[in-house]
Amino acid sequence: DTEVTQTPKHLVMGMTNKKSLKCEQHMGHRAMYWYKQKAKKPPELMFVYSYEKLSINESVPSRFSPECPNSSLLNLHLHALQPEDSALYLCASSLPLTGVNQPQHFGDGTRLSIL
Amino acid sequence: AQKITQTQPGMFVQEKEAVTLDCTYDTSDPSYGLFWYKQPSSGEMIFLIYQGSYDQQNATEGRYSLNFQKARKSANLVISASQLGDSAMYFCAMREGSGYSSASKIIFGSGTRLSIRP
Repeated sequence: DTEVTQTPKHLVMGMTNKKSLKCEQHMGHRAMYWYKQKAKKPPELMFVYSYEKLSINESVPSRFSPECPNSSLLNLHLHALQPEDSALYLCASSLPLTGVNQPQHFGDGTRLSIL
Repeated sequence: AQKITQTQPGMFVQEKEAVTLDCTYDTSDPSYGLFWYKQPSSGEMIFLIYQGSYDQQNATEGRYSLNFQKARKSANLVISASQLGDSAMYFCAMREGSGYSSASKIIFGSGTRLSIRP
């Protein structure tokens, strides 16, 4: 079992729906990340939160809206998604950003399909 | 410019044999960290091993070892005595620098799909 928990594991939604992905960690990490991964490709960074503040947005479309309500939780709100947004969405966490030796610990991901 | 290169898209290895997965990297930052992750078909990314740019010895974690050749900018993963459960995608990744914003990004290679034959 991973120490980063993502829900739901699978999500199918229409292009007009609003849904949210949830990520939770209890490792005391203060940096949290959202990645998007298409099949047979490496993960692509979307957002980074540090101490509950958004520190990096990799020019992600506004139909993806991240939220970090506290140090253990990270949400990704979805609205008006496109079929090309279908992918595996991975959440990760790590100790504070400084220091190159801190690995990111990943959740199992949410497989998102847009109809 | 691609900073992490994995030249083996796929590999087939007989069970119990050792396997080496190649990774080369490019950076001008003297401080960096190198990571290997395993991703089974179920999707989770599993952290395997870490090597720092200033580490004098090659990292080892159980059956995993990292063959770090700094002058060649290579960080190959060696799996000894492969098992069927080792079949997965393997990603090499790098984090550069010690600054606030740059340290947050991990750059991934394109991955190597490893298949273990019984």
